[in-house]
Amino acid sequence: KAGVTQTPRYLIKTRGQQVTLSCSPISGHRSVSWYQQTPGQGLQFLFEYFSETQRNKGNFPGRFSGRQFSNSRSEMNVSTLELGDSALYLCASSLLSRSTGELFFGEGSRLTVL
Amino acid sequence: QQQVKQSPQSLIVQKGGIPIINCAYENTAFDYFPWYQQFPGKGPALLIAIRPDVSEKKEGRFTISFNKSAKQFSLHIMDSQPGDSATYFCAASTPGNTPLVFGKGTRLSVIA
Repeated sequence: KAGVTQTPRYLIKTRGQQVTLSCSPISGHRSVSWYQQTPGQGLQFLFEYFSETQRNKGNFPGRFSGRQFSNSRSEMNVSTLELGDSALYLCASSLLSRSTGELFFGEGSRLTVL
Repeated sequence: QQQVKQSPQSLIVQKGGIPIINCAYENTAFDYFPWYQQFPGKGPALLIAIRPDVSEKKEGRFTISFNKSAKQFSLHIMDSQPGDSATYFCAASTPGNTPLVFGKGTRLSVIA
């Protein structure tokens, strides 16, 4: 059974650019969550999608957005990149509700903003 | 606002030692407390989880101790091995469709 796949794994952008990250969840999983991981802050929740609808959103500016497609694949977009957006962006999928089940994480997309 | 406070930030133990990682919370509505393990270059993976109706749960060498009145829970790793060297995250969530909130992580190094 394939795990959660995130692409690209590494990318370098400059300030002001935008970036789109992709996540393919485990087959059959309908919930996809996104987290930002930085050394000082740990894992910060960005948003969660379930059946193409955003179900929860964390405390991030509107520059961070996402969407989910009918096949459960998800993308997140960050516009007008800032230096502080440099981080590992993790996608996690789960079968149903995250609060009762296990989150399966991908290996992440490491974004560096110069 | 950090909802789950994790300590220590880093920990070094000798092989065979028992590292203990602690987490504290304020929200009494939390009812699910998992621990995730993350190796370098990998995403976190569920290690063990507990609900507040039990005070302890063991899975192999890993034990969660839960103190509901103190609003604290901890992870103990028995007979630690160099292969246990990783970053450990505690987390918590409330019932319903709410996000899992994570502690800031503990980097554990087990030296031979």
